[in-house]
Amino acid sequence: DTEVTQTPKHLVMGMTNKKSLKCEQHMGHRAMYWYKQKAKKPPELMFVYSYEKLSINESVPSRFSPECPNSSLLNLHLHALQPEDSALYLCASSQVGHPNQPQHFGDGTRLSIL
Amino acid sequence: QQPVQSPQAVILREGEDAVINCSSSKALYSVHWYRQKHGEAPVFLMILLKGGEQKGHEKISASFNEKKQQSSLYLTASQLSYSGTYFCGTEYTSYSSGSARQLTFGSGTQLTVLP
Repeated sequence: DTEVTQTPKHLVMGMTNKKSLKCEQHMGHRAMYWYKQKAKKPPELMFVYSYEKLSINESVPSRFSPECPNSSLLNLHLHALQPEDSALYLCASSQVGHPNQPQHFGDGTRLSIL
Repeated sequence: QQPVQSPQAVILREGEDAVINCSSSKALYSVHWYRQKHGEAPVFLMILLKGGEQKGHEKISASFNEKKQQSSLYLTASQLSYSGTYFCGTEYTSYSSGSARQLTFGSGTQLTVLP
C-alpha cells in the first residue's frame, strides 16, 4: 500500500468525455506532481505544485487541466483527449525544503481513450 | 535533458551481482533511484547528493561520481524480489528552500532475477 492514493485505478473514456483524476496524500507534503508514463517508458513530468500553486507546467496540452484545491489534494481534469493520451498517470508528493527527502508515488490511474 | 542509463536490460540468477549506471552530460545536483514493478508505483530506493557520497540500503548501494556526472547502483547477492525496472531520476539545479523537486528520469533498466 502506498501513502499517496489515486482514484480511479482504471478509466476508459471517449474523446468527447470530461473526467477527472484524483490524488490524495496525508503526509503533510507541500509539493505535488503529475507524471505521465507510457508502457516501457520512464515517467514524464507534467505539472508541479508547490504550496498549492502551479510552479511547473512542462508544455502540457490544455486538454489537461490541473487543480490543487488544498495541500492534501491534487486533481487532473481531462477533456477532449486523444488516443495517444492513453497511459498510466502517476501522482507524487514530497516535502519542500529537504533535499534528502524523496518523491512518494501513488499506484497511478491507467487511462484508456477510445 | 534525459540521463542515459545502462544496461537497458539484465538477467541474473539469484545470488549474482549487478551494476546499473546513470550518466548525465549536464552537471548534476542529485540522483534519485527508484524500482518499479509491473503495474505498480515506483518505489524509492535512495537519493545521492553531489559530493561523491556512497549510500547503502541492505544489499543495494549506490555511488555518485561528481567528476564523471555519473551514479551507479549496485545490487549484490540478488534476490527474486529485486526484479523490476530501475529508474534514475536526476536534478540539474541546486535545490533551494521552498522549491519542489524537478526530476528527469532515465529510460530505465529492466532487471530479471531467475531462481
